Amino acid sequence: NAGVTQTPKFQVLKTGQSMTLQCAQDMNHNSMYWYRQDPGMGLRLIYYSASEGTTDKGEVPNGYNVSRLNKREFSLRLESAAPSQTSVYFCASSESGTSDQPQHFGDGTRLSIL
Amino acid sequence: GNSVTQMEGPVTLSEEAFLTINCTYTATGYPSLFWYVQYPGEGLQLLLKATKADDKGSNKGFEATYRKETTSFHLEKGSVQVSDSAVYFCALYHRGNTPLVFGKGTRLSVIA
Repeated sequence: NAGVTQTPKFQVLKTGQSMTLQCAQDMNHNSMYWYRQDPGMGLRLIYYSASEGTTDKGEVPNGYNVSRLNKREFSLRLESAAPSQTSVYFCASSESGTSDQPQHFGDGTRLSIL
Repeated sequence: GNSVTQMEGPVTLSEEAFLTINCTYTATGYPSLFWYVQYPGEGLQLLLKATKADDKGSNKGFEATYRKETTSFHLEKGSVQVSDSAVYFCALYHRGNTPLVFGKGTRLSVIA
């Protein structure tokens, strides 16, 4: 029962480096999401994809880009990493973004930027 | 806009104590309401939900009642266990507003 799989689980970067966080779901869900979680800030939505071929900005999109590669995969890219992007990143998916169906989360990527 | 406010944590309880975590929301109309739980080192998972006023969601001994008159969805459990130690998030979904809106989370620690 894979559900939502995120890779890598941990990563350390230097300021200015780039990297892509990968996310894949095997539940045939239409909608996918990227969040970041910081102490005292709860979950903040970075980008989401309501359906294959569409992406929209969330609350904190600056410094990030996304690609909905196909129905299963939704990647998050940091072009030039900054220390303020040190966080835990979660990917989630749901059957539909326009209904109250629950979101299913991966276990997160812990990213440190020095 | 739509928002969710949860009580500040952390909350520390002894095993078998009664738990209440307060959650209030701001939204027009009738949103759907959720509680998610995040165990250490894991992602969030749905704990319970309620989709209309006076509905009660329940799961694993936890309950929450959708109170339209007080715009609240407080989480309760009669007797907590050490294994309930986690971060709890209240969230709402309002039709026409894509993605969930999450509260900031409340950390619960239960000690034996």
